[in-house]
Amino acid sequence: SQQGEEDPQALSIQEGENATMNCSYKTSINNLQWYRQNSGRGLVHLILIRSNEREKHSGRLRVTLDTSKKSSSLLITASRAADTASYFCATRIGAQKLVFGQGTRLTINP
Amino acid sequence: KAGVTQTPRYLIKTRGQQVTLSCSPISGHRSVSWYQQTPGQGLQFLFEYFSETQRNKGNFPGRFSGRQFSNSRSEMNVSTLELGDSALYLCASSSGLAGSTDTQYFGPGTRLTVL
Repeated sequence: SQQGEEDPQALSIQEGENATMNCSYKTSINNLQWYRQNSGRGLVHLILIRSNEREKHSGRLRVTLDTSKKSSSLLITASRAADTASYFCATRIGAQKLVFGQGTRLTINP
Repeated sequence: KAGVTQTPRYLIKTRGQQVTLSCSPISGHRSVSWYQQTPGQGLQFLFEYFSETQRNKGNFPGRFSGRQFSNSRSEMNVSTLELGDSALYLCASSSGLAGSTDTQYFGPGTRLTVL
């Protein structure tokens, strides 16, 4: 089964609203990463948060990590139509492979 | 710096055939990973190469193989294609330094359709 599980699977909001996606994982990690994928294309790295960090910001993105709950959240503020995409969390344990969750499909309505 | 390139972008094959996909990483990157993405299974890790050596392998049958060349370019091969191999195959490169800064940079993918 997947190491990371995103919630919700799909999210539809109005432009300008904030979007929050959550990711839960099962085992201890070195870092957690968030990626975006526009329809049928390659993934784009958004942000990486290390296991000893609790919060990180990048532009309109805010990521939190709670290692005690084994969960992370991605907040996109003031959403735009261009934010419409699928968002994936990915975890790496030591030198092992990067494991992706199933993703959250975000739709921003004009 | 040029990004990760994958060729071909689209491919149509029939069952039983074999296929080779190519990936050129970002200049200076020594690690290449391959992923299979399908609607049902999501993103599944295939393998990871670093300096021509396979470093990690996913849970795929032996029909899936790969290699990396001295210039870090990588190829993956799928033999005896099955309908279920239809997917988007993504390649990603990174500096290869495992640890907290190991960001993956993805190519646009190869869309394989098996008829």
